[in-house]
Parts: sequence; structure tokens; C-alpha cells
Amino acid sequence: SSELTQDPAVSVALGQTVRITCQGDSLRSYHASWYQQKPGQAPVLVIYGKNNRPSEIPDRFSGSSSGNTASLTITGAQAEDEADYYCNSRKISIPHYVFGPGTRVTVL
Amino acid sequence: EVQLVESGGVVVPPGGSLRLSCAASGFTFDDYAMHWVRQAPGKGLEWVSLISWEGGSTYYADSVKGRFTIFRDNSKNSLYLQMSSLRAEDTALYYCVKDSGYKPYYYYMDVWGKGTTVTVSS
Repeated sequence: SSELTQDPAVSVALGQTVRITCQGDSLRSYHASWYQQKPGQAPVLVIYGKNNRPSEIPDRFSGSSSGNTASLTITGAQAEDEADYYCNSRKISIPHYVFGPGTRVTVL
Repeated sequence: EVQLVESGGVVVPPGGSLRLSCAASGFTFDDYAMHWVRQAPGKGLEWVSLISWEGGSTYYADSVKGRFTIFRDNSKNSLYLQMSSLRAEDTALYYCVKDSGYKPYYYYMDVWGKGTTVTVSS
């Protein structure tokens, strides 16, 4: 079983807002990073740190955290946001990393 | 442009060995730690291994510890993964991934290669 948990799938209407959550004990100590993966493509970093985006990522993507839960929010979801989203974190005591099982986002 | 290009993935029989390579360009390779991450067909991402900027510290997932060895040649801007005692469950797309933390720190994974496919089958 994964040390980070995510909902398997969520759907969102075009233009609406969706929040994806990631839970795990390590998130009390380390920020999650979030990756978007479209079919047949390598993952792409979308959020890192407290709430930071690489310059090429649209500002409709944002991150937040509270306690053992990290969240990725897409505000005004677009058709091109349909993808699998994975959270990732370091483990607490050693520099081992763990991914959540992923959340498939469907844009209706 | 930062670029990571993996190679070496092939079909190998169970119990066999294989070495993956990753050629890095567009950044100062020996300033950053590097990871290998894999993805089995139709499955999620699994972190495999991490190596420090100078190669002196290495870390492994329990699923590969004792069978895989990560190493790097900073003079060649290259990362490697030596895989032995391969099992069917090692079948996956293997990604080379740059860590964002400037030496000596580890932070998050920021740049991914396109991956190379390893298939363990008789």
C-alpha cells in the first residue's frame, strides 16, 4: 500500500474548479510536489513547495496544505487538463521518496 | 534547454542483468542529485533510486535494494542504473529524473526524461 493516498478519480465540468487531495504522514514535514501525466507522455511538474508553479504551468493550478494533507486545485479546468495527477513527497527520516497512487481527472 | 535522454531498455529474461543510461544536457550535471523512477504498464509511478551530486550517497526503494545499483559519471554528464536478478515485476518504463535541490540538498523532482522500456520475459 502507498504511504500517500489519493482518490482514484475525479471529474469536473469544463470551466469549473476541482481539488485533488493527497494524504500522508510525511506531508507534516515535507511539502508535496505534484505531477501531471497525459497518456503516452512523461510526467510534468505542476506544483512544488508551498505553492509554486514552474513558469510554463498556467496559473489555474495552485497548491495548498494543512496537516497531513496536500491539495492541488485547478480553477477553471480546461479540456487539456484531463490527465493523471500524482503527488510525491520525501519520507521523514531518510531521503527516500514516495508517490501517491494517482488521481485521474476527467473534464466533462 | 535541460534535457535527459535514457537508453538501454530491452527485453531480458528473468534473472538477467541490464544497464540503463541517461545522458544529461542543458544544466551543470554535477550540481544536482538524480533519481530513477519507473512505471509498470498501466500502473502508477514508483521511485526507484537516488544518487547525490557527487555520487557518494545512494538510496534505493526496498523493492530493488540489493539488486540495482545507481551510479554516475560526472565527467560524462551521465547517470546509470545497473540492474541484476531481474524479475517480471521489474518490467516498466524507467525515467531518469533531475532533483531540483542544489548540492548537497535533495528537494523535489523537476525535470524528467522520456523513459526507456525494460521488459523482463522469457
